[in-house]
This record gives sequence, structure tokens and C-alpha cells, in this order.
Amino acid sequence: EAQVTQNPRYLITVTGKKLTVTCSQNMNHEYMSWYRQDPGLGLRQIYYSMNVEVTDKGDVPEGYKVSRKEKRNFPLILESPSPNQTSLYFCASSFQGANYGYTFGSGTRLTVV
Amino acid sequence: AQTVTQSQPEMSVQEAETVTLSCTYDTSESDYYLFWYKQPPSRQMILVIRQEAYKQQNATENRFSVNFQKAAKSFSLKISDSQLGDAAMYFCAYRSANAGNNRKLIWGLGTSLAVNP
Repeated sequence: EAQVTQNPRYLITVTGKKLTVTCSQNMNHEYMSWYRQDPGLGLRQIYYSMNVEVTDKGDVPEGYKVSRKEKRNFPLILESPSPNQTSLYFCASSFQGANYGYTFGSGTRLTVV
Repeated sequence: AQTVTQSQPEMSVQEAETVTLSCTYDTSESDYYLFWYKQPPSRQMILVIRQEAYKQQNATENRFSVNFQKAAKSFSLKISDSQLGDAAMYFCAYRSANAGNNRKLIWGLGTSLAVNP
């Protein structure tokens, strides 16, 4: 089944404790991206990647890191999480063409206390 | 900068009836793509329908269709024969065709649709 697999689905952590949210897709998509979803603010792009070893900042990259060492994987790293990073996170992927819609992961609900 | 506005935070419809969700957007570009996504309580974001701006014909996917009015910058979603499983948050999204490397979607804030039995 074609899908984007995101883990974990739920995570509660403490301020400052490094964490990684994994994202993997099995559709050979070139483009991958991370979004966060917050009430009243909608979905905002954190980082994106055009292909292996090619990543760039989105609209809200502060406090986050990403890597794209393999085409299928695009982990999101929070090296020192803070409470303002409490949010619902989505990984998404698509083919290169701009007219394709994204395929989304099932989301990660992160709470930083 | 492009913006997407969904003016109806909440809507409801009776099962088997038809409902239309509104979306307007602001852009100076002529080439772009528009999407409707559905987010049920499971949180999964599901693509419902997409429209290329250069196509005059409105997109249709089974019970879902759009009314794309390019000059008015309007992109409404019509759901026919509404089913209980249609209850969800619906998001309208815009993607520039000239965004360089970034395929970023610009999102509206969503419309919560309730389907009454």
C-alpha cells in the first residue's frame, strides 16, 4: 500500500530532551515536507526537501532540523524542544510536479511540558 | 503573498443532502493549483479533489465537485448525497506553479462539517 509512515503518533516529552519524529514513504516521491498544525494558525511549513541531500527552510524552521540521507526517509529533529513546539505535526510527500497533491502521514501529536 | 480564506468555520448538512463549502484566495499569479483536503477525527489528511487553474472545466470526483471561478478567485466544494462519513474538517489549499523548488501548500483555516442523520 502506498503510504507515508510517521512515528510516533503521540509523544509527550519534557523541555530540552532531544527527540526525532520519523517519516518514511514508499512511493519513490522526490519531494517531502514537514508541516505543523495549530488552532487558529492552520498548517505551516517547517522544512522541505526536493531530493536526497537537498533540504531548505519553510516558514517556521526555528527550533527544528531535518535530514534527507535516503530518498524514502525525512526525519524531523527537535534538539531542544520547548513548550511552544507543542503541536500536531504532519509529514507529506509528492512527486516533483507541482500539480500533484501531497500524500500525508497520519500525524504526530507532540506535547512538550 | 498568497492567502486562502474559508469564511465558514462550521457548517452542517442533513444526510443525503447537498452542501457547498466556500473558499476564496488571493494571488497575482495566473498559473497555480487548488486542492481540497479532508481531515476526519482520525487526523489523517486526505486529498479530496484538485483543480489546475489553466483548466476551465470544473473537477469532479464521484460525489465531490468544485466550482472554480478564476476571475473571482473562488474555489467552492460541493458534496452531493452527503454521508455520515463526510463529517470532517475540510481545508482549501493553494499551490503556486511557479514556486521554484518549494511545493509549499498555502492553507485556509478550515471548515468543520457536521452531517446530521
